[in-house]
Amino acid sequence: GESVGLHLPTLSVQEGDNSIINCAYSNSASDYFIWYKQESGKGPQFIIDIRSNMDKRQGQRVTVLLNKTVKHLSLQIAATQPGDSAVYFCAENSGGSNYKLTFGKGTLLTVNP
Amino acid sequence: GAVVSQHPSWVICKSGTSVKIECRSLDFQATTMFWYRQFPKQSLMLMATSNEGSKATYEQGVEKDKFLINHASLTLSTLTVTSAHPEDSSFYICSARDPTAAYYEQYFGPGTRLTVT
Repeated sequence: GESVGLHLPTLSVQEGDNSIINCAYSNSASDYFIWYKQESGKGPQFIIDIRSNMDKRQGQRVTVLLNKTVKHLSLQIAATQPGDSAVYFCAENSGGSNYKLTFGKGTLLTVNP
Repeated sequence: GAVVSQHPSWVICKSGTSVKIECRSLDFQATTMFWYRQFPKQSLMLMATSNEGSKATYEQGVEKDKFLINHASLTLSTLTVTSAHPEDSSFYICSARDPTAAYYEQYFGPGTRLTVT
């Protein structure tokens, strides 16, 4: 199930299940969104991105859904594997010509074998 | 693929000393690099944007005289934490933007763990 800790929401799933990680973004003017995976002690790793002119984009085992009406982004991981255990962050472009990204709080995904 | 390295991967220093962290883009030229700080179980917070050949742009609340950024070439940006204190202990991550790549995509380094004693 999903729970909200002091700083980092957590999601625990069984291996083989599908995972859904949610993100509420803040800026209605944002037009580009990225999901990153961060393993412990490492830098973020790009997973998938989506532009605001789309509402769904699929990659290998991952799907990102964008709902601009409610400013909500989700990452779906199919057939979750133990190697998927990590913290997942959504990021939105902050606008302007400097290409800054604003990161969400993150969700810790734990995959149980 | 685009690779960004950081050096050192971890460093321990005494309070009051300065520490320099390097960020390099290994296989592309990065006109823009970003420096983030991340505390345990928290998100990445942007500290500053580093542009090659010009002064860095700092986010609100980040002391530019304490966190010195130099982007001297298209493949190297450095962050110097001056007069470090224990509260500066954190995970520092850089990223680099390849101007020939997708829209806002940034490539991240592996991070540098700074511990100030």
